Amino acid sequence: GAVVSQHPSRVICKSGTSVKIECRSLDFQATTMFWYRQFPKKSLMLMATSNEGSKATYEQGVEKDKFLINHASLTLSTLTVTSAHPEDSSFYICSVKQGAGGPNEQFFGPGTRLTVL
Amino acid sequence: KQEVTQIPAALSVPEGENLVLNCSFTDSAIYNLQWFRQDPGKGLTSLLLIQSSQREQTSGRLNASLDKSSGRSTLYIAASQPGDSATYLCAAWAGTALIFGKGTTLSVSS
Repeated sequence: GAVVSQHPSRVICKSGTSVKIECRSLDFQATTMFWYRQFPKKSLMLMATSNEGSKATYEQGVEKDKFLINHASLTLSTLTVTSAHPEDSSFYICSVKQGAGGPNEQFFGPGTRLTVL
Repeated sequence: KQEVTQIPAALSVPEGENLVLNCSFTDSAIYNLQWFRQDPGKGLTSLLLIQSSQREQTSGRLNASLDKSSGRSTLYIAASQPGDSATYLCAAWAGTALIFGKGTTLSVSS
């Protein structure tokens, strides 16, 4: 399967600062990447779909001005949490979808644990 | 709106037992269903993918089945081992997004 990396794996920041999380597809070109967040003992919730070269598609209830997504290349997507607050503390995971078009298998990164003090 | 439910939420078994994890979905119009494993504080590892046209998939000691008409999928783990202890998530591909269940946390004791 596809190899996906995320950086950093863990970040602690002060309230009000911005944090950037990188998601890289290491072994194939991903036109579509997905960003999820997961609260403790909860399921993964899709935040947005990141499309290379175009604007991300955000799920209902996700503030696009707070969670900035950039998919500048076929191997890199970034999620920036702007003016982070304690309620933004969560586990953020990205995934890539293999195959051009249609439903294909998704492979996930190792996740980034964000803690906002 | 697609909803995915997993039962049980937690399961403890002794080593060597065969076990079944259940997953149900409300909308049978899915393209595929994927089973994942998640270790504490880690990302997701894809275990099995079943396309909507398939009835089951097997990988080693794992076997996943899919019954679209009843909205159910099961993950069968044979001869469980302590290393199988993790949270198992199922997710249905609804066309634009994967919809996840809350997972079943499995604990296998030696």
